[in-house]
Amino acid sequence: GAVVSQHPSRVICKSGTSVKIECRSLDFQATTMFWYRQFPKQSLMLMATSNEGSKATYEQGVEKDKFLINHASLTLSTLTVTSAHPEDSSFYICSARTYTGELFFGEGSRLTVL
Amino acid sequence: DAKTTQPTSMDCAEGRAANLPCNHSTISGNEYVYWYRQIHSQGPQYIIHGLKNNETNEMASLIITEDRKSSTLILPHATLRDTAVYYCIVRVPILSGGSNYKLTFGKGTLLTVNP
Repeated sequence: GAVVSQHPSRVICKSGTSVKIECRSLDFQATTMFWYRQFPKQSLMLMATSNEGSKATYEQGVEKDKFLINHASLTLSTLTVTSAHPEDSSFYICSARTYTGELFFGEGSRLTVL
Repeated sequence: DAKTTQPTSMDCAEGRAANLPCNHSTISGNEYVYWYRQIHSQGPQYIIHGLKNNETNEMASLIITEDRKSSTLILPHATLRDTAVYYCIVRVPILSGGSNYKLTFGKGTLLTVNP
């Protein structure tokens, strides 16, 4: 199957700093990428839908100024958590959609804010 | 959005078939049923999807009732590595009439395969 890679897989940062997470589709072009957040023992929560070359569409309750999403190319989307706080500590997962409609997920990035 | 209902947890003996049910009574005629699974601390893995016909691939079989209000994922010979949370998802179109869509995850079923 298609491969979606996230980097970094784990990141620890101090409160108040910003953290960028990358999501790459390695062997296909993805016009649409999705960002999810998952807290311990909970399901994945969709944060936003990212289309190449346009602004992301955020789900209700997700702060667009705090979670900056950039989808500058057909193989890369980035999520920047700005001014991170301990409550932002979570498992962030991206997925990428192929032209044929299949959806593949990355391995996830675990963010810990101290 | 069409919602799904799954049992919180299930157990299965290694080597036996695992049958995971899912109710999606509010599903619309053009909405697909997708199944993913997530092993602890990893990204979700695609298993199978279907619209109204039963589907089978190398991983599993998907049985959808005639009224499409429920489905069952079947792992024919469960192994210890199949222990995971299994998500039944109804694919919701983002744009009316378009092919773009999003997947909204429910709580899923924790399947534990026992030796």
